[in-house]
Amino acid sequence: IAGITQAPTSQILAAGRRMTLRCTQDMRHNAMYWYRQDLGLGLRLIHYSNTAGTTGKGEVPDGYSVSRANTDDFPLTLASAVPSQTSVYFCASSDAAGEIDTQYFGPGTRLTVL
Amino acid sequence: SQKIEQNSEALNIQEGKTATLTCNYTNYSPAYLQWYRQDPGRGPVFLLLIRENEKEKRKERLKVTFDTTLKQSLFHITASQPADSATYLCALDILSGAGSYQLTFGKGTKLSVIP
Repeated sequence: IAGITQAPTSQILAAGRRMTLRCTQDMRHNAMYWYRQDLGLGLRLIHYSNTAGTTGKGEVPDGYSVSRANTDDFPLTLASAVPSQTSVYFCASSDAAGEIDTQYFGPGTRLTVL
Repeated sequence: SQKIEQNSEALNIQEGKTATLTCNYTNYSPAYLQWYRQDPGRGPVFLLLIRENEKEKRKERLKVTFDTTLKQSLFHITASQPADSATYLCALDILSGAGSYQLTFGKGTKLSVIP
């Protein structure tokens, strides 16, 4: 069982370019999340999806968009990358059927915007 | 505003000793609190969850306490080993500006166990 996979592992991107980070889970979890992790700031939620077909904004959504066409996939798109989006991005999922929101994380994507 | 704080950015202890990490929160009464471990270059991994009506939870060498009066959770690793070196994150559901509850993480404490 793979759990959560993310692609690419790392990427260097020119400012202004469009980029999609991919996330796939095989646990049939309802909820999925995108975080960014920066030194000194910890993990911050970008966008989330409680179930296929719905999405919501987290703490730092500006400059990012997501879609949830099916249960397994939750891509994160940077429409026009800026240097401040240089970060490590983590995708996570949870079986948030009840009140407990224990999350399972992917290995991360290290993105550098120049 | 609601906040979650882990008091120490870094903690160094000698192998075999008990490591104690602290997580404090303000302006909130969570139903449960979680602890995660994160190794360099990897995503966080869930370790333990403790509910508001539980004072203590144990898993092997790990122990978590939850004091809702002090608004504090303590995370203990007994008989620590160099392999326990990692960053430990606490997390709890906090009401977001959008009106929904979201799991919010502390900034973490980097634990180094010295042989």
